[in-house]
Amino acid sequence: SQQGEEDPQALSIQEGENATMNCSYKTSINNLQWYRQNSGRGLVHLILIRSNEREKHSGRLRVTLDTSKKSSSLLITASRAADTASYFCATFDTGRRALTFGSGTRLQVQP
Amino acid sequence: DTGVSQDPRHKITKRGQNVTFRCDPISEHNRLYWYRQTLGQGPEFLTYFQNEAQLEKSRLLSDRFSAERPKGSFSTLEIQRTEQGDSAMYLCASSSTGNSYNEQFFGPGTRLTVL
Repeated sequence: SQQGEEDPQALSIQEGENATMNCSYKTSINNLQWYRQNSGRGLVHLILIRSNEREKHSGRLRVTLDTSKKSSSLLITASRAADTASYFCATFDTGRRALTFGSGTRLQVQP
Repeated sequence: DTGVSQDPRHKITKRGQNVTFRCDPISEHNRLYWYRQTLGQGPEFLTYFQNEAQLEKSRLLSDRFSAERPKGSFSTLEIQRTEQGDSAMYLCASSSTGNSYNEQFFGPGTRLTVL
């Protein structure tokens, strides 16, 4: 079953703009991860935030985590056409061994 | 290429036929996962191996599905008597026990179409 919901389901922006995606989840977690998937391809790990962290940066990516609200956000700054993809949050839940993915946000960056 | 590889990349079969997919993980990774992804959805966990031991199976893995990892290296996923509802992308991922945060590395997937 899907762990959480991403919001929005789809997002279309112009190159250079920022893109924000949100993720909500339901259970206690050890960490939350964001993955990118280009059309019809495998998933690529982007960034991981631990349950005791509140914010993390990696290049143009900024992730926040609010465990009290069971939510996370992914911000992509200065977007590029190459950022066009689906983005998934995934939680590594306490007591489980596999990732539980959300339903994804489809991002379209117009050149 | 030292990433996770999957074979075949695409498989079209008729309902009722058996199919088998192969996954070769990153060589030093002892954890291997199978996921299934349907159109417009995120991947859903199917099963997990640590070395050759299958340690967890999802309820999604019906009796028609079987997975093996006989020598703790590559893995196979077999679906018997395929149904149209089995049409999906089957993704394999691997990770190492040294990675305590369970960052997983995914293969390109096998897209199954059941006619």
